Amino acid sequence: GEDVEQSLFLSVREGDSSVINCTYTDSSSTYLYWYKQEPGAGLQLLTYIFSNMDMKQDQRLTVLLNKKDKHLSLRIADTQTGDSAIYFCAPSVRGFKTIFGAGTRLFVKA
Amino acid sequence: KAGVTQTPRYLIKTRGQQVTLSCSPISGHRSVSWYQQTPGQGLQFLFEYFSETQRNKGNFPGRFSGRQFSNSRSEMNVSTLELGDSALYLCASSLEQAGRGELFFGEGSRLTVL
Repeated sequence: GEDVEQSLFLSVREGDSSVINCTYTDSSSTYLYWYKQEPGAGLQLLTYIFSNMDMKQDQRLTVLLNKKDKHLSLRIADTQTGDSAIYFCAPSVRGFKTIFGAGTRLFVKA
Repeated sequence: KAGVTQTPRYLIKTRGQQVTLSCSPISGHRSVSWYQQTPGQGLQFLFEYFSETQRNKGNFPGRFSGRQFSNSRSEMNVSTLELGDSALYLCASSLEQAGRGELFFGEGSRLTVL
């Protein structure tokens, strides 16, 4: 089956690192995306990783992929209040569609 | 370049009615996907259209249907509305078939069923 699991909430202090974890079930996922949704807005692509990579770094963002365990994580360094949003893990499934987790709501305390 | 446009943004219906939602993708995008977003459930995949053909369908009852026109604009319809259909309906377009590239989302149509 196709399933994506994420914890629903994460709270961090401004300046700390945030780590959002995700597990998925479909081993055929070629692209694994992270989307961000700010209040009242649609989703925007934050970053992505190909399944043949273990890690990808993009400025404050680091994506780690453990393909064997089907585990994906997003690390945000030096988290700012503007990072408060919902973060969705979204693996592609057999290259034909993208499925989403329930989203992790990140709260950043000043 | 204009983004993905969804109309209407908000609507209120009563049980038993039907509703049609519209999505205009980014110019040049041939794929349109629809998702239902509810608190705690995240985004549930409804269906995807690519070049006027439904390529994928999620696990929703037949009351949920859609179509895509030759200009790539898409509509989704929900008939015999139930209270549980209250949700934010998001449309996303992409250049290639969904799953092979970035999805560009609209701001959604928020449906309330009373």
